[in-house]
Amino acid sequence: GNSVTQMEGPVTLSEEAFLTINCTYTATGYPSLFWYVQYPGEGLQLLLKATKADDKGSNKGFEATYRKETTSFHLEKGSVQVSDSAVYFCALTLLGGSQGNLIFGKGTKLSVKP
Amino acid sequence: GAVVSQHPSRVICKSGTSVKIECRSLDFQATTMFWYRQFPKQSLMLMATSNEGSKATYEQGVEKDKFLINHASLTLSTLTVTSAHPEDSSFYICSAYGTGTSRYNEQFFGPGTRLTVL
Repeated sequence: GNSVTQMEGPVTLSEEAFLTINCTYTATGYPSLFWYVQYPGEGLQLLLKATKADDKGSNKGFEATYRKETTSFHLEKGSVQVSDSAVYFCALTLLGGSQGNLIFGKGTKLSVKP
Repeated sequence: GAVVSQHPSRVICKSGTSVKIECRSLDFQATTMFWYRQFPKQSLMLMATSNEGSKATYEQGVEKDKFLINHASLTLSTLTVTSAHPEDSSFYICSAYGTGTSRYNEQFFGPGTRLTVL
């Protein structure tokens, strides 16, 4: 079946540290891939996306590259800030880029300490 | 723009009662709304998809008679948990997409509703 596996948290980093949150997927078709972020008390927000192999999504200093050969979409940021503390969800959809029927990973909680 | 609200944010009810959760798109017309359920330390699981003016499409294993979904207008969808039991306790999240946003095919999520059934 279709599924998303991401590294379990929580992840605790010091400010300005390098961040990697691993995400791998299993899909019967050719998925579009997403990272969502959920700040405390708020709804999920789309952070970045990639719709085909080798695409790189980027936003707010975060990046993720769609790697078909390793079925991965790891999230990275070179220098995290306290304001990046949130829960991050990796997700896929098989309905092109239409955002229908998202399949989520379990989420990774990130805490950034000053 | 593209804000989705949910009400209530938290509800506690007795076993056997029904609870209604509202999901509203505040500044766009939501042609499609999704309802998710999230258990602690688990993924968001899609429960159903609803299009305005038509019956919801439920995912396999979701009881449509227990989780009643109504999407009567382009800005409001409701989820009613009927005859709630403690195993229905969970975090329910809605999302929506539609016209009137700059990214019309992107889902916008509500903040979620924590349901506790005693």
